[in-house]
Amino acid sequence: KQEVTQIPAALSVPEGENLVLNCSFTDSAIYNLQWFRQDPGKGLTSLLLIQSSQREQTSGRLNASLDKSSGRSTLYIAASQPGDSATYLCACEGDSNYQLIWGAGTKLIIKP
Amino acid sequence: DTGVSQDPRHKITKRGQNVTFRCDPISEHNRLYWYRQTLGQGPEFLTYFQNEAQLEKSRLLSDRFSAERPKGSFSTLEIQRTEQGDSAMYLCASSLAQVYQETQYFGPGTRLLVL
Repeated sequence: KQEVTQIPAALSVPEGENLVLNCSFTDSAIYNLQWFRQDPGKGLTSLLLIQSSQREQTSGRLNASLDKSSGRSTLYIAASQPGDSATYLCACEGDSNYQLIWGAGTKLIIKP
Repeated sequence: DTGVSQDPRHKITKRGQNVTFRCDPISEHNRLYWYRQTLGQGPEFLTYFQNEAQLEKSRLLSDRFSAERPKGSFSTLEIQRTEQGDSAMYLCASSLAQVYQETQYFGPGTRLLVL
């Protein structure tokens, strides 16, 4: 059974810093791994999707990497801004079904 | 706005009552998903539809829960005889089935409180 873990559960950093969020998963048989952002009281917004055959994806100041062999993914945020404050969740899609298995998220606070 | 919409956004009910939630997906999307999310946790998969067919159901979906997607457009999720443990955010997502890069687009959710 796939289990997804995100550490730390919360992170507070000053504006302008580069930071890394971590995601680990127990079953390497994944179809893809996705990173989402969730703002309070709102739904989830997809940030990046990495196919199992890919190593990384980039979008603006965000870069996500995937290492299936070690069961790890990282989300790198460059030059953080207060508007980046949100909860960031990673989710794995299994290669035999369409279910997303989610981590509990990392709550990120960027201090001005 | 052509995003995923959910109605109602908030629902307070008494234990034992039935509730029904609606999800309108992005119009051209053929897949629709329901998730449940409790405070401080990631979403948990409940069920998904491809067009009007319900293809997968989680063990979390007890016999008190039923979902439908008539005509392959909007979907409803009904909870019968609600319990306090049903209190959660219920999220709906839709996607367009593709070989690669299938991204799920989420609605704002329906927050349920069972008293």
